[in-house]
Amino acid sequence: DQQVKQNSPSLSVQEGRISILNCDYTNSMFDYFLWYKKYPAEGPTFLISISSIKDKNEDGRFTVFLNKSAKHLSLHIVPSQPGDSAVYFCAAPHTGNQFYFGTGTSLTVIP
Amino acid sequence: ETGVTQSPTHLIKTRGQQVTLRCSSQSGHNTVSWYQQALGQGPQFIFQYYREEENGRGNFPPRFSGLQFPNYSSELNVNALELDDSALYLCASSLGTSVHSGANVLTFGAGSRLTVL
Repeated sequence: DQQVKQNSPSLSVQEGRISILNCDYTNSMFDYFLWYKKYPAEGPTFLISISSIKDKNEDGRFTVFLNKSAKHLSLHIVPSQPGDSAVYFCAAPHTGNQFYFGTGTSLTVIP
Repeated sequence: ETGVTQSPTHLIKTRGQQVTLRCSSQSGHNTVSWYQQALGQGPQFIFQYYREEENGRGNFPPRFSGLQFPNYSSELNVNALELDDSALYLCASSLGTSVHSGANVLTFGAGSRLTVL
């Protein structure tokens, strides 16, 4: 049962343009969402989060938007840089001590 | 501040064998969680350890077991290996057990890549 879904396995964007990564979820009990970034041969690293009481959270070039009615969130990266090329995972915590992760979107930023 | 370290980084086993993976948690963290990431999938929760006890388990059979030591480091043991156990095994540490409402953010190690032939 995939409770967090990322339907785009890959995305390519030109340097300087906007990258938009999408995530859908099925469980309306989720109250917090996170994005992790993973480079090859490294563990996932925390990028940005959003509480369900907000619809937007911004941190520098990264902004996450939450649409609770649609059970959808998105990560915007503006402007995109080659160093942003990585796999991005959307995640939500549940039952107190575990995260559900999406399958990831591999972002390639073309110089 | 040292991060999460895992060993070994790569290993190859044959079906039916047993494997032990090791994890040292980030300094100051007292909780360790293990995740399995199969090829093309997101990480899936195996279990969490706190105060040397299992504190929550995902949908994995009993042949997946673990330990946590007084220094908060941890081991993941898998018995009777199957081909489908081939995956990247990620260890994550945190200060505290709850991830609800953003209480804790997991810090991950680079993982141990297990190949079962």
